[in-house]
Amino acid sequence: AQSVTQPDIHITVSEGASLELRCNYSYGATPYLFWYVQSPGQGLQLLLKYFSGDTLVQGIKGFEAEFKRSQSSFNLRKPSVHWSDAAEYFCAGSDYGGSQGNLIFGKGTKLSVKP
Amino acid sequence: KAGVTQTPRYLIKTRGQQVTLSCSPISGHRSVSWYQQTPGQGLQFLFEYFSETQRNKGNFPGRFSGRQFSNSRSEMNVSTLELGDSALYLCASSSLAGFGAVETQYFGPGTRLLVL
Repeated sequence: AQSVTQPDIHITVSEGASLELRCNYSYGATPYLFWYVQSPGQGLQLLLKYFSGDTLVQGIKGFEAEFKRSQSSFNLRKPSVHWSDAAEYFCAGSDYGGSQGNLIFGKGTKLSVKP
Repeated sequence: KAGVTQTPRYLIKTRGQQVTLSCSPISGHRSVSWYQQTPGQGLQFLFEYFSETQRNKGNFPGRFSGRQFSNSRSEMNVSTLELGDSALYLCASSSLAGFGAVETQYFGPGTRLLVL
């Protein structure tokens, strides 16, 4: 069955430190992959997406993600975390780009940022 | 440009009743997607409408339905409410249809539904 797994429920990093949030997927073919962020003040936002092509994708707010087929992973990274990045992050995937598809979310990773 | 509007913002219903939630997308956007968020199940995709046609659908029972009007406004309906339907219901608008074509999405603030 198709699935998206975020192994880390909660991560704490210091402000200015680098960040990597993990996401693993289980799909037969290369899925469409997404990262979303949800914060109390901003609501839910789409950070970035991967469809095909370049395996390193850039998103908003200085985030990037790398698709690794061999590891079935799509990890989210940021070189230097800001206090405003504290939020919950969701990875999602779909194996359909057109119609009649479903979008499956991971359970989320809550990010706390230490001053 | 006005953002995505969802009405009502809060709603209390009792088991067995039905409820209709509304979502007005950003002007010019023709795709509206609906999502359910609960503490137990997390975020789940309900369905997507584009130009009044359902494009994609999640794994929800037939009690959950939706529609889209010619002005792109969308409604979702839940019939015979159950306690487990208590959730935050989010909608998002996009200019293009389908997961493979989404350029970006703009989410509304959500409707918080409590079923007693």
